[in-house]
Amino acid sequence: IAGITQAPTSQILAAGRRMTLRCTQDMRHNAMYWYRQDLGLGLRLIHYSNTAGTTGKGEVPDGYSVSRANTDDFPLTLASAVPSQTSVYFCASSDSTSGGANEQFFGPGTRLTVL
Amino acid sequence: GQNIDQPTEMTATEGAIVQINCTYQTSGFNGLFWYQQHAGEAPTFLSYNVLDGLEEKGRFSSFLSRSKGYSYLLLKELQMKDSASYLCAVMDSNYQLIWGAGTKLIIKP
Repeated sequence: IAGITQAPTSQILAAGRRMTLRCTQDMRHNAMYWYRQDLGLGLRLIHYSNTAGTTGKGEVPDGYSVSRANTDDFPLTLASAVPSQTSVYFCASSDSTSGGANEQFFGPGTRLTVL
Repeated sequence: GQNIDQPTEMTATEGAIVQINCTYQTSGFNGLFWYQQHAGEAPTFLSYNVLDGLEEKGRFSSFLSRSKGYSYLLLKELQMKDSASYLCAVMDSNYQLIWGAGTKLIIKP
């Protein structure tokens, strides 16, 4: 693994189904993020984690949950998918242990369609 | 509220220079980032400004004026591979990134 990986690459899901998007990084970054990207809108933060064992809500957290059991993995779960959750989902990580602002590194994204 | 504004789309000619503007209003400021995103791919980091002035990195330069809430990304000697979306993002007082919708740059031969 080099950098950040996400799985699956794409998924078509029936409304009401549960879905977990996976994200793994091998850079030992302490901070990780989940964004959604929709046409005409900027990236919007769903949830974040500043360090293993802690999570926080972003701008659009409703309908999503996350966990951070270890440094490397940060899965995003849709408990009961709805069509408005159709989007491209990006996982990102950054090294914020030194404080201040640090660039975020992005995974390749998961394209999710909810029908 | 927090707001990042940038033009939706711009067109330029191969070999020319283009300037992409970004204005922002955020709760706190801990720096401004520019990212490049090719269609169907992930954003990749281009530049970071936290102090006023110009930062030059090869063909790309980024400028910041904190008092005006303004930044621009300058791309010189445009190449066809520069066709992409350019995302402006501001890090707010909570060290969270607030993103603009992006500027789609179309390069014509």
